[in-house]
Amino acid sequence: DTAVSQTPKYLVTQMGNDKSIKCEQNLGHDTMYWYKQDSKKFLKIMFSYNNKELIINETVPNRFSPKSPDKAHLNLHINSLELGDSAVYFCASSNYQGLSGVGSQYFGPGTRLLVL
Amino acid sequence: GNSVTQMEGPVTLSEEAFLTINCTYTATGYPSLFWYVQYPGEGLQLLLKATKADDKGSNKGFEATYRKETTSFHLEKGSVQVSDSAVYFCALAAGGTSYGKLTFGQGTILTVHP
Repeated sequence: DTAVSQTPKYLVTQMGNDKSIKCEQNLGHDTMYWYKQDSKKFLKIMFSYNNKELIINETVPNRFSPKSPDKAHLNLHINSLELGDSAVYFCASSNYQGLSGVGSQYFGPGTRLLVL
Repeated sequence: GNSVTQMEGPVTLSEEAFLTINCTYTATGYPSLFWYVQYPGEGLQLLLKATKADDKGSNKGFEATYRKETTSFHLEKGSVQVSDSAVYFCALAAGGTSYGKLTFGQGTILTVHP
């Protein structure tokens, strides 16, 4: 059983298109994240949801819109794709532990987005 | 803000060599520290973690000790294998209003030759 799954695994599209990436976790976690990994392998947080509520929104263009229909799913919709959006997008999940600590995050396999 | 600095790679070793990948951090409060590994074409896997000062995380022969006095969390393995070839990421996370988001180092590429 895959703990954190993402679809699609690969996404090749033209500039200006709109696309979505889906993420699902079956770990029973209450917090989910989106990270972007650039061509130099650098990873940066984009968004996080806790129990379907947006709790982290880093400096990301508003062409990126996350949606969490329930706490097991976190989708990422990207409007008007640009060349610079080409990257690997990773979904992750954990249990939020508040001030008392930090839960370990478990990552999906990634979605490789190429904008032509 | 929080930040993580890893030694620059790539690191190339022969099988059975000793591995050290340095990691230092800057953070307010008392973060948890992690090492993640990314094998070619795959997602990140949690390798080990430590949640407080002097804790030692260990897994699959890898170890790292949370050193508050030097703000470090260096990764070590006594004898590497070809199958350890991967990208290694040091990361920190804080609770509270950071909601556990991970701040990553830049990653270190490790290649192990037979």
